[in-house]
Amino acid sequence: KNEVEQSPQNLTAQEGEFITINCSYSVGISALHWLQQHPGGGIVSLFMLSSGKKKHGRLIATINIQEKHSSLHITASHPRDSAVYICAVRIGGNQFYFGTGTSLTVIP
Amino acid sequence: DVKVTQSSRYLVKRTGEKVFLECVQDMDHENMFWYRQDPGLGLRLIYFSYDVKMKEKGDIPEGYSVSREKKERFSLILESASTNQTSMYLCASSSFSGRAGKNQETQYFGPGTRLLVL
Repeated sequence: KNEVEQSPQNLTAQEGEFITINCSYSVGISALHWLQQHPGGGIVSLFMLSSGKKKHGRLIATINIQEKHSSLHITASHPRDSAVYICAVRIGGNQFYFGTGTSLTVIP
Repeated sequence: DVKVTQSSRYLVKRTGEKVFLECVQDMDHENMFWYRQDPGLGLRLIYFSYDVKMKEKGDIPEGYSVSREKKERFSLILESASTNQTSMYLCASSSFSGRAGKNQETQYFGPGTRLLVL
C-alpha cells in the first residue's frame, strides 16, 4: 500500500481549462510538497504546505490536515504546464514519501 | 541559485559491471538522498545520508551501496549491475531538519541519470 495516493494518473486538458490534481495520504506528516517534473527528468519544488492554502501565479495549492488531503489547481492552463506533478509528504526527520505522479498534457 | 548536479544524464552499462553515479551539491546541505524512479512506482528511496561518512538504508537498498566522503558529494554504487536496475536515478539534497521548527526544508533535485543495463 502506498502512503501517498494521487489522482488522476493521467490528465489531458485543453488550453485555458481549470485543472485539479488530488493527493491523499495515510500517515501523519510535518509538511506536504508539490513537485513538478518536466520531460527530461528535472524536478522542481512548487509548494510546501503545512496548513491552509498557497498561491503562486496560476498555481494554487490547498491542504486539509484533518482529511489528509491536498489539491493542486492550475488556472488558465497552458501547454507549458505539461509535466508530471508529484505529491510528496514529509513524515518527520528527513524522509519523504512520494505519490506516483499525475501526468498532465495541455493541448493548444 | 541552488544547484545539484549529477555526473551523467544517460548511461549504458552491461550486466555485471560496477557502476558509479555521482552527485554534487553546492548548498552546504547536510542531507543527501538517492532515489530511483520507475513508471507506475514513483520515487523510491535507495539510501540517504545526513552527514559525512553517515548513511541510512532507504526502502530499496538491495544491490546498491553509497559513499559520502565529503559533504558536497554523495555517490551511488551498483556493485554488479543487473537489468532490473535499469531506471532513472535522482539525487536530492536538503538542509538539516533536526532543529525545532525547522522541519520543512525542501529537497532540491538533480537532473537525473537515466541508466540502461543491457
